[in-house]
Amino acid sequence: QKEVEQNSGPLSVPEGAIASLNCTYSDRVSQSFFWYRQYSGKSPELIMSIYSNGDKEDGRFTAQLNKASQYVSLLIRDSQPSDSATYLCAVNRGYSTLTFGKGTMLLVSP
Amino acid sequence: GAVVSQHPSRVICKSGTSVKIECRSLDFQATTMFWYRQFPKKSLMLMATSNEGSKATYEQGVEKDKFLINHASLTLSTLTVTSAHPEDSSFYICSARGGLAGQQETQYFGPGTRLLVL
Repeated sequence: QKEVEQNSGPLSVPEGAIASLNCTYSDRVSQSFFWYRQYSGKSPELIMSIYSNGDKEDGRFTAQLNKASQYVSLLIRDSQPSDSATYLCAVNRGYSTLTFGKGTMLLVSP
Repeated sequence: GAVVSQHPSRVICKSGTSVKIECRSLDFQATTMFWYRQFPKKSLMLMATSNEGSKATYEQGVEKDKFLINHASLTLSTLTVTSAHPEDSSFYICSARGGLAGQQETQYFGPGTRLLVL
């Protein structure tokens, strides 16, 4: 069974700190990895995608992928209160349907 | 970036009526569209997957006769909640898989439709 696991949180960090969100997946042949952000009462918004091992940076966000360990993470530098949301990790194999984790709630305190 | 619209954003209806929700990919052609439901403070739940011109594939436990999906074109999919009941009240979110020219296909979400059945 394909699964994506995330710690539900909440993960609490002070403003300006680095928030580290982690995700593990069970399907070894997964090829594409995504991080979505979902504010309360809103739909998910794609913030990062990563397809190969290593780091991918986009502004304050860095996605890290380690296929050997079946692990993908999202780092948010200089966290802001506006980053407080639920972060969903999603994985798929080629053109299959995305498998979502249950999400990690991030709380950034001023 | 790729934009997915959804209409209406909010609907209130009486029990027993049917409600249609539209999902459109505005600047790309969506090979596949997905419909999700989300209850308050709960995870996204995939209801069905649809490809243009073919019947939708429903997830286990989702009644296909109650949640009618039509994927008429590469930019439009509709979900009709038939004979709605209060327990159908939820946040319905569509998603479209596709991408802008030169970009890898990705799944983009619409803004969601909040349905309240009285």
